[in-house]
Amino acid sequence: QITLKESGPTLVKPTQTLTLTCTFSGFSLSTSGVGVGWIRQPPGKALEWLALIYWDDDKRYSPSLKSRLTITKDTSKNQVVLTMTNMDPVDTATYYCAHSSSAVAANFDYWGQGTLVTVSS
Amino acid sequence: DIQMTQSPSSVSASVGDRVTITCRASQGISSWLAWYQQKPGKAPKLLIYAASSLQSGVPSRFSGSGSGTDFTLTISSLQAEDVAVYYCHQYYNTPLTFGGGTKVEIK
Repeated sequence: QITLKESGPTLVKPTQTLTLTCTFSGFSLSTSGVGVGWIRQPPGKALEWLALIYWDDDKRYSPSLKSRLTITKDTSKNQVVLTMTNMDPVDTATYYCAHSSSAVAANFDYWGQGTLVTVSS
Repeated sequence: DIQMTQSPSSVSASVGDRVTITCRASQGISSWLAWYQQKPGKAPKLLIYAASSLQSGVPSRFSGSGSGTDFTLTISSLQAEDVAVYYCHQYYNTPLTFGGGTKVEIK
């Protein structure tokens, strides 16, 4: 049974760095083809893909946010960490991590419950 | 970036009605398309992948079709529990992109 759960601060100040952790179970990020992605959703708005990391440490980023994002994995802890620098109120959103079972087909078949991050002074 | 355009943005239908949602990609994506259902306050749930493959456990009233640039999600007989926002998602290449969503309501 695959589960994922996001954790991190619920409130950050503008210009601060956000660090989110996705802790998962039921799969290994050392298995060929497996990936974990981050997707966010501002209140009342659509989904936006942020980043994706694969079992072989291949990393992909949204071009519009690439300069602010870093995604890493700790296979031994079953965790994926996303950092986003220079936070702004427009970054207020629910942040989801999600599992992808294939590097060839990066759809997301399991999602975490999401964590709402508010950016405000 | 590949833009995904969904229509309509919202639809209201009666229980038992057939509901069709369309998604158009700004360039060909073969069949690298997924559909998700998101209920209020919940995470998205994968319904369809590879344009027409039903994810395990998803009711058979949901179906997907299309390839290239034009895709559809059909609910053959709308149920009350299908009230949600539906998103298409292309994974032909990165950056991965999602459609703007279609809100399905009961009339």
